[in-house]
Amino acid sequence: GAVVSQHPSWVICKSGTSVKIECRSLDFQATTMFWYRQFPKQSLMLMATSNEGSKATYEQGVEKDKFLINHASLTLSTLTVTSAHPEDSSFYICSAQYGNTEAFFGQGTRLTVV
Amino acid sequence: GESVGLHLPTLSVQEGDNSIINCAYSNSASDYFIWYKQESGKGPQFIIDIRSNMDKRQGQRVTVLLNKTVKHLSLQIAATQPGDSAVYFCAENGSGGYQKVTFGIGTKLQVIP
Repeated sequence: GAVVSQHPSWVICKSGTSVKIECRSLDFQATTMFWYRQFPKQSLMLMATSNEGSKATYEQGVEKDKFLINHASLTLSTLTVTSAHPEDSSFYICSAQYGNTEAFFGQGTRLTVV
Repeated sequence: GESVGLHLPTLSVQEGDNSIINCAYSNSASDYFIWYKQESGKGPQFIIDIRSNMDKRQGQRVTVLLNKTVKHLSLQIAATQPGDSAVYFCAENGSGGYQKVTFGIGTKLQVIP
């Protein structure tokens, strides 16, 4: 299957700082990328959908000014958690797809805000 | 709003036995369903999918059954192995211009050696 890579795999940051997570499709061009958040022992919750070259569509309850998403190219989307707080600590997962093909998931990024 | 959910949070199965993981969905318009396996600290891994025009699909050691009448989905794993231990999610891939995957609650499968 296609490969989607996230970087970093884990990150620890201080409260009030911003952290950027990258999602790359390594062997295909992703027209659409999705960002999910997963708290311990819970399901994946969709945060936003991004299409290359356009603004991301955020799910209800997700602050777009706090979770900045950029999908500048067909192989890269970034999620920036701005002014992070301990409650933002979570497992962030992206998925990518081309057209109506199957979505492929990244390995996730563990964010810990201290 | 619409949701996809699971009833059993944890399922313990003896190695070699068959496992059945169940899922209920609420969106009657859903036309595509997927089962994912998630190991600890990793992203979801695609297992098998099924479209609403089918009621059964088989893969290698796995079978998905879809009952649209009662909006129920199940994943059967034959001859369960220790490597099958993980959390399993059913997901609905909604209609629309893009495929937005909505995940259910998840079932943790524990395989007892």
